[in-house]
Amino acid sequence: SQKIEQNSEALNIQEGKTATLTCNYTNYSPAYLQWYRQDPGRGPVFLLLIRENEKEKRKERLKVTFDTTLKQSLFHITASQPADSATYLCALSLRYGNNRLAFGKGNQVVVIP
Amino acid sequence: DTEVTQTPKHLVMGMTNKKSLKCEQHMGHRAMYWYKQKAKKPPELMFVYSYEKLSINESVPSRFSPECPNSSLLNLHLHALQPEDSALYLCASSQSGLRGGNEQFFGPGTRLTVL
Repeated sequence: SQKIEQNSEALNIQEGKTATLTCNYTNYSPAYLQWYRQDPGRGPVFLLLIRENEKEKRKERLKVTFDTTLKQSLFHITASQPADSATYLCALSLRYGNNRLAFGKGNQVVVIP
Repeated sequence: DTEVTQTPKHLVMGMTNKKSLKCEQHMGHRAMYWYKQKAKKPPELMFVYSYEKLSINESVPSRFSPECPNSSLLNLHLHALQPEDSALYLCASSQSGLRGGNEQFFGPGTRLTVL
């Protein structure tokens, strides 16, 4: 069965450092991979989308890589700030299929001032 | 307007009550979604409407009944819920629901408590 894995342990990181999160998947061939941020009690907020034929995508301090051979995406927050503290969810979708998103469990990031 | 709104923010209901959750978007999106999220878990897809037609029902119990009156509105009617249905209910929309690769815009959610 399909599996999407994110680290269940919170990532504690010093302000100014780069936070790196991992999303691994098995038994899945996604065409698209998205990253969302979620704050407690709030809805997820879209951050970045990367396609299967793209290796890397950047947006401001965020960078996402997508390796379809390793079946892995890495999500980087450079120059992290306390305001970046949140849970980050990866979500996969197929080329067709009603834009159904399969979410990982999320990885909490805590940026320490 | 790039916002999805949901009402109410909080809802407490008994197991015999009937209530409705409402969701609205004015981005011209043609796909709308209902998700259920329990604490420390990812959002779990319940229903998808694409062009105002129900396209996905993830085997959700009939005590949850979705409705899409028009392309901007999505309702979730609740009846005879169980305490285990207590959760954060999220609405989302996307430009298209016909294929992948469309970012989803989420509302703030309705925190539902069933007593």
